[in-house]
Amino acid sequence: AQTVTQSQPEMSVQEAETVTLSCTYDTSESDYYLFWYKQPPSRQMILVIRQEAYKQQNATENRFSVNFQKAAKSFSLKISDSQLGDAAMYFCAYRSYDNDMRFGAGTRLTVKP
Amino acid sequence: EAQVTQNPRYLITVTGKKLTVTCSQNMNHEYMSWYRQDPGLGLRQIYYSMNVEVTDKGDVPEGYKVSRKEKRNFPLILESPSPNQTSLYFCASSLSGRARNEQFFGPGTRLTVL
Repeated sequence: AQTVTQSQPEMSVQEAETVTLSCTYDTSESDYYLFWYKQPPSRQMILVIRQEAYKQQNATENRFSVNFQKAAKSFSLKISDSQLGDAAMYFCAYRSYDNDMRFGAGTRLTVKP
Repeated sequence: EAQVTQNPRYLITVTGKKLTVTCSQNMNHEYMSWYRQDPGLGLRQIYYSMNVEVTDKGDVPEGYKVSRKEKRNFPLILESPSPNQTSLYFCASSLSGRARNEQFFGPGTRLTVL
């Protein structure tokens, strides 16, 4: 079964600095999607960024970018110019083409002013 | 406003008392899904539905039932709740079951079973 591992339960970053959240996954599939979701204290799940496995180019959304290493099954999220509003729980997720959806345990990000 | 709604948002109940958590979306989405979120475990899929009258088990379906009689609604039923079902529940929907489609999540339902 596919698994998603986030090895950092907590991370902290200084405002305006850059932080990288790690995610690894295990799958035997060749095509799938990977996602990063943000969950602020409101508990709302918000999609931050998505990556298609067959695309080698790393996805970017404004200050958020990923480092996708398919062979290593690694999918890290980089947040540049961190802002106070970035403080949240971040979940890495995997979705296969047959709708197997897996989430990591989450990384709690604290942003220090 | 396009959204996924869940009711109730908070519920405290007792063991064995049947309950239903409703989920509704107004985006004409085909795919809907239920998840539970527990500390240290992230979100785990309970059931999902590819379309009306089509449902499938996710990772943790035991103790739950679902139905999809209408496209917009996907209720989660706990026939005999137990304390280990105390959790935060999310409903989500997407345009279709294709992996690339973004899932839109409801606000969550905090359930406590005493």
